[in-house]
Amino acid sequence: GAVVSQHPSWVICKSGTSVKIECRSLDFQATTMFWYRQFPKQSLMLMATSNEGSKATYEQGVEKDKFLINHASLTLSTLTVTSAHPEDSSFYICSATKPGQGRSYEQYFGPGTRLTVT
Amino acid sequence: EDQVTQSPEALRLQEGESSSLNCSYTVSGLRGLFWYRQDPGKGPEFLFTLYSAGEEKEKERLKATLTKKESFLHITAPKPEDSATYLCAVTTDSWGKLQFGAGTQVVVTP
Repeated sequence: GAVVSQHPSWVICKSGTSVKIECRSLDFQATTMFWYRQFPKQSLMLMATSNEGSKATYEQGVEKDKFLINHASLTLSTLTVTSAHPEDSSFYICSATKPGQGRSYEQYFGPGTRLTVT
Repeated sequence: EDQVTQSPEALRLQEGESSSLNCSYTVSGLRGLFWYRQDPGKGPEFLFTLYSAGEEKEKERLKATLTKKESFLHITAPKPEDSATYLCAVTTDSWGKLQFGAGTQVVVTP
C-alpha cells in the first residue's frame, strides 16, 4: 500500500474567507494528484488533475478561480477554496497515483477534509 | 458517453452469507478498473486494480473479477467488519483519472 495524508481533517470557516487544504504522499513520489468532492450519500466527483510543476486541469463546471490548486512538489498538492460560501461545504478528498511497473495505476486516497462554511 | 453502473445500490447480508457486487461499464479504451472500500467520513481504501478481461485478484474474503463489460466483487463468508460502501471506478486516460460508480452500500449483520 501507500499513505496519503490530508490536513486539516476538518475546518469551519466564515463565508467570504479562504481555506487551504494540503495533500501529501508520505512514502512515495506521486506522478499525479487528483482532487475530488463528495456530497452526503453520493459518490466522488473529480474536480481537477494536478501534475507537479504544471497548471492543474479542471473538470467541466469546476471554477478554477474559486478552487486554486498548486502542485508544489512530487509529494505535495494544495487546494485553496477562495471566498468560500455555504454551498462549498463538502467533503474534499485528494488522491495520488503511485508509479508502478508498466501500466500500473494504483491510486491512493487521503482521509478527506470536511469543510463547513457558515 | 462513458458510464459506470454499480448494482445493487444496497445489500444487507447475514454474517457468513456470501454474495457478489456488480460493476458494469461502457467506456472506450479501458486502461484499468478499480475497487475501493469507503467507510463513513473517510477516504476510499484501495482494494484492487484489474487491467485485462479474465483477470482475477483476491484479498482475504474479497475476490474481484473482470470481463469485457463488467466486474464482480465477490464477498465470501462476510463478517460485520466488511460493512462499508464499495466503489468501482474506471480509468481510460494515461494519467489515471478515475470515473466512479455510485457505490454499493453493504451491511453485514451478526
